[in-house]
Amino acid sequence: SQQGEEDPQALSIQEGENATMNCSYKTSINNLQWYRQNSGRGLVHLILIRSNEREKHSGRLRVTLDTSKKSSSLLITASRAADTASYFCATDAPIIQGAQKLVFGQGTRLTINP
Amino acid sequence: DAGVTQSPTHLIKTRGQQVTLRCSPISGHKSVSWYQQVLGQGPQFIFQYYEKEERGRGNFPDRFSARQFPNYSSELNVNALLLGDSALYLCASSLGLWGETQYFGPGTRLLVL
Repeated sequence: SQQGEEDPQALSIQEGENATMNCSYKTSINNLQWYRQNSGRGLVHLILIRSNEREKHSGRLRVTLDTSKKSSSLLITASRAADTASYFCATDAPIIQGAQKLVFGQGTRLTINP
Repeated sequence: DAGVTQSPTHLIKTRGQQVTLRCSPISGHKSVSWYQQVLGQGPQFIFQYYEKEERGRGNFPDRFSARQFPNYSSELNVNALLLGDSALYLCASSLGLWGETQYFGPGTRLLVL
């Protein structure tokens, strides 16, 4: 089963507007990562935020993490047509022998209308 | 530097056949993980390899196997293919085992007829 759940499942906005996507998870984490996926191809890493961090920025991206609520949000400011993609949050989950796996939600499909 | 590479990009097989997918990690990365992504879903963890040893396995049948070579490249093998194995198979590499960013390749799209 998937730990993370993104909300909304789909989002359609006008170019230039801001887009906010939310992610909720169930168990405690060390890190949370956001990825972008264009047209069913590979995942592009956007941001990694650690459990002791509350906010992180990268260009037009802002990620927040609230470990008390087990939730994270991704804000894309001044959206562009090229931002049209699916966005996934991924939390780390321990595996036996000290390794980790990423547990993904089902993603938010973002469409930017020109 | 080159990113994670995967081959082939697309593959069509019939039920019962076997398939081998290949992955080359980012130079210097010692950990390779495999994920399966069914259409409309998020990726699901299959395997993690580190220093040529299997370090984790997801909830997949024994028809799925993998290995990692001395140069840290990896192969994923799936035997006795089923229609439900049709998916995008993603490889990810990272420097180490824990707390690291995982970088994904472009994936191999497998269609089982």
